[in-house]
Amino acid sequence: GAGVSQSPSNKVTEKGKDVELRCDPISGHTALYWYRQRLGQGLEFLIYFQGNSAPDKSGLPSDRFSAERTGESVSTLTIQRTQQEDSAVYLCASSPRAVLPRLSSSYNEQFFGPGTRLTVL
Amino acid sequence: EDQVTQSPEALRLQEGESSSLNCSYTVSGLRGLFWYRQDPGKGPEFLFTLYSAGEEKEKERLKATLTKKESFLHITAPKPEDSATYLCAVQISGGSNYKLTFGKGTLLTVNP
Repeated sequence: GAGVSQSPSNKVTEKGKDVELRCDPISGHTALYWYRQRLGQGLEFLIYFQGNSAPDKSGLPSDRFSAERTGESVSTLTIQRTQQEDSAVYLCASSPRAVLPRLSSSYNEQFFGPGTRLTVL
Repeated sequence: EDQVTQSPEALRLQEGESSSLNCSYTVSGLRGLFWYRQDPGKGPEFLFTLYSAGEEKEKERLKATLTKKESFLHITAPKPEDSATYLCAVQISGGSNYKLTFGKGTLLTVNP
């Protein structure tokens, strides 16, 4: 079946512009995550959506970052007034459910998309 | 603060030369430890999840093991197609147990 898809694959923007990144999760996956991968750094958690629950936004680095998700479908990550330090690969992941007993290890597995490479000039 | 440290940062092997990658972690309570493979320009690809000290999992030339402080990814007789960045991540017990905290990865290059 289709995996997680993200668009655009590459985005080059000028400092101060707004950008919108899109993620299409695997159909039926209720949990969706955004991570950021900066050069030479590990993936950083940004935000988490689970069904209709309030999202966990604790990883968003500033109020210039926001994300939305409609139901259990597409999510968009918006970065306003982009800065050069926002340059990174933004990765989206989905999983069937956030956490289940260890017996069902596959339900804890997060499936990642190919990412969007954002370059802020 | 939860920390994940991977070593070495980079590793070059000759085809057939077995070795191990290390992932050490300091967390308040471990729910699960994950290994991913990441090829250039692609998202991480899931390899293994380990939950308990002493647990081992194998897939082709890879075997992952877990202790209370670290995990090893053993690569037996590697081939050039095993070249990739290998990422380790942990999930902690507690309220935010869905988050993955990642190490910086080990870049593995296998020369023919």
